[in-house]
Amino acid sequence: DAKTTQPTSMDCAEGRAANLPCNHSTISGNEYVYWYRQIHSQGPQYIIHGLKNNETNEMASLIITEDRKSSTLILPHATLRDTAVYYCIVRAPLNNAGNMLTFGGGTRLMVKP
Amino acid sequence: DAGITQSPRHKVTETGTPVTLRCHQTENHRYMYWYRQDPGHGLRLIHYSYGVKDTDKGEVSDGYSVSRSKTEDFLLTLESATSSQTSVYFCAIRTSGATDTQYFGPGTRLTVL
Repeated sequence: DAKTTQPTSMDCAEGRAANLPCNHSTISGNEYVYWYRQIHSQGPQYIIHGLKNNETNEMASLIITEDRKSSTLILPHATLRDTAVYYCIVRAPLNNAGNMLTFGGGTRLMVKP
Repeated sequence: DAGITQSPRHKVTETGTPVTLRCHQTENHRYMYWYRQDPGHGLRLIHYSYGVKDTDKGEVSDGYSVSRSKTEDFLLTLESATSSQTSVYFCAIRTSGATDTQYFGPGTRLTVL
């Protein structure tokens, strides 16, 4: 799996957009970009994933650069409940069921009133 | 949350005692996983299952066994608990399809004294 680099921590004002960057300069052509988050004391939560095109769902938007070497997760209107550690994961789809997710350090997002 | 529950949510036990953690899902997913999460180590895969009675070892399987006699239940057993197995345990399911999206349960916090 391609290595990812994320800032250790970020702050965001409540109600504003939170833009979380992720660098994955060694990404391969068949690797997807996934975003998960983990709110304190809870299980990791899937947010969104994409391959080449930008994606949007009810939780967030994912912007992937044209060269696919970086991406940005956007939470359009951050709330206090979005305070969590956000993980960017890059991996290819595998047929083997034993494909564990590898969570790096992630970005600790603090949403402030 | 993909209909995943874990029980118990908290458990304190003594070294040498057997412990069984249960993961239950309501959506008939084929793939199920057990992870443990510890400070400084992130999430690590213990065992996984790719169907009823089909299981395999993950990264940190020593001291653990699993069973899956029904699609909906995946049990993790510590035959003789040790203090090094104090951790938070997460169960996850993987949705079918080409991409690897996993949904996690709420976790079980296990303390071995």
